[in-house]
Amino acid sequence: ETGVTQSPTHLIKTRGQQVTLRCSSQSGHNTVSWYQQALGQGPQFIFQYYREEENGRGNFPPRFSGLQFPNYSSELNVNALELDDSALYLCASSLSGQGFEQYFGPGTRLTVT
Amino acid sequence: SQQGEEDPQALSIQEGENATMNCSYKTSINNLQWYRQNSGRGLVHLILIRSNEREKHSGRLRVTLDTSKKSSSLLITASRAADTASYFCATQVNTGGFKTIFGAGTRLFVKA
Repeated sequence: ETGVTQSPTHLIKTRGQQVTLRCSSQSGHNTVSWYQQALGQGPQFIFQYYREEENGRGNFPPRFSGLQFPNYSSELNVNALELDDSALYLCASSLSGQGFEQYFGPGTRLTVT
Repeated sequence: SQQGEEDPQALSIQEGENATMNCSYKTSINNLQWYRQNSGRGLVHLILIRSNEREKHSGRLRVTLDTSKKSSSLLITASRAADTASYFCATQVNTGGFKTIFGAGTRLFVKA
């Protein structure tokens, strides 16, 4: 167990809807990153937040947005869901933006129908 | 496109044998990390090697990094059935913002 928790565990949504996924960082970590992992693929970097500011973003459209709160927990919001958004969404916390190992949560399995 | 590419895509060995996985990447990096993932669960960090390091050990794991060839290898010695998992390399770059880029992974199956 890494101490990183995610909710919900599973989620089913309909195309066009919006979804919010949540992540609680490991104690003492000020950085959180979000990843999308399709079946049989490696995780794809969505973005990273450091001390409540986005400090890195992957090749994802603006309908993927996030927040980091003062307690360093985080949310991932996805608007206008598409079928291809079906994936495992992972968050990971670390001590700093780079050069430190990341501690991953168990993930949220999102299915878009 | 993926920064890191693992080779082989899948590997099946007998318990007690060594397993070697390779990772290639495209751009300059700050560090490279290896992770393990069991059955679609969260990833577990195995080892981090910085760009100025060439080799690192952790228990039965040995990682090498060749920045001139933009490649890394992960060696698991004396493998066990519990090592069955997917293994990913991840590179961290800072170009116009910070990014962590994972490869597609190597699926390792260790037969008891």
